[in-house]
Amino acid sequence: AQTVTQSQPEMSVQEAETVTLSCTYDTSESDYYLFWYKQPPSRQMILVIRQEAYKQQNATENRFSVNFQKAAKSFSLKISDSQLGDAAMYFCAYRKNTGNQFYFGTGTSLTVIP
Amino acid sequence: DAGITQSPRHKVTETGTPVTLRCHQTENHRYMYWYRQDPGHGLRLIHYSYGVKDTDKGEVSDGYSVSRSKTEDFLLTLESATSSQTSVYFCAISERGQGGEKLFFGSGTQLSVL
Repeated sequence: AQTVTQSQPEMSVQEAETVTLSCTYDTSESDYYLFWYKQPPSRQMILVIRQEAYKQQNATENRFSVNFQKAAKSFSLKISDSQLGDAAMYFCAYRKNTGNQFYFGTGTSLTVIP
Repeated sequence: DAGITQSPRHKVTETGTPVTLRCHQTENHRYMYWYRQDPGHGLRLIHYSYGVKDTDKGEVSDGYSVSRSKTEDFLLTLESATSSQTSVYFCAISERGQGGEKLFFGSGTQLSVL
């Protein structure tokens, strides 16, 4: 099975500052997809951003961007201008191109300090 | 929310009793998934389905069974619930759209086995 590792169980950031959440993964595949999901206290899982491994350009969605390092198998999420509403659990996920299973990391709990 | 409804939203049951969780979707998606979420483990795949009566096991399938008799419904059954099955259960569908394939989740079911 694929493994996705999030080594930071908890992180905190001052409001308006920038924070980076780390994710590494293990795969022998060359073509795959990576995701970041946000889970606020409401428990709803929300897709934040998605990256295709064959694309070298890092994905961005407004204040959210990724640093995708394919050789290092690293996929970090940068949140700029952090807002109180960014406080949530963040999960990194992986899916290989030919498969239908999504594999998740253990999550990072982000606290935003006013 | 990709038209996903989970029921019930909360359930408390006793050890040894059977429990069935229901996932209903309205948009005719082929792939449906059941995950459980536990602190320190992230989301782990229990079972998934790739069509009516077509299902396969995930990484934590022991003690669980599933059925999909209609495209729109995917049922998860705990034949004899145990305390280790206390968890939050999420149903998800895989949707292919602009930007590729993505996973969308229901609101989750909090199950407590006493």
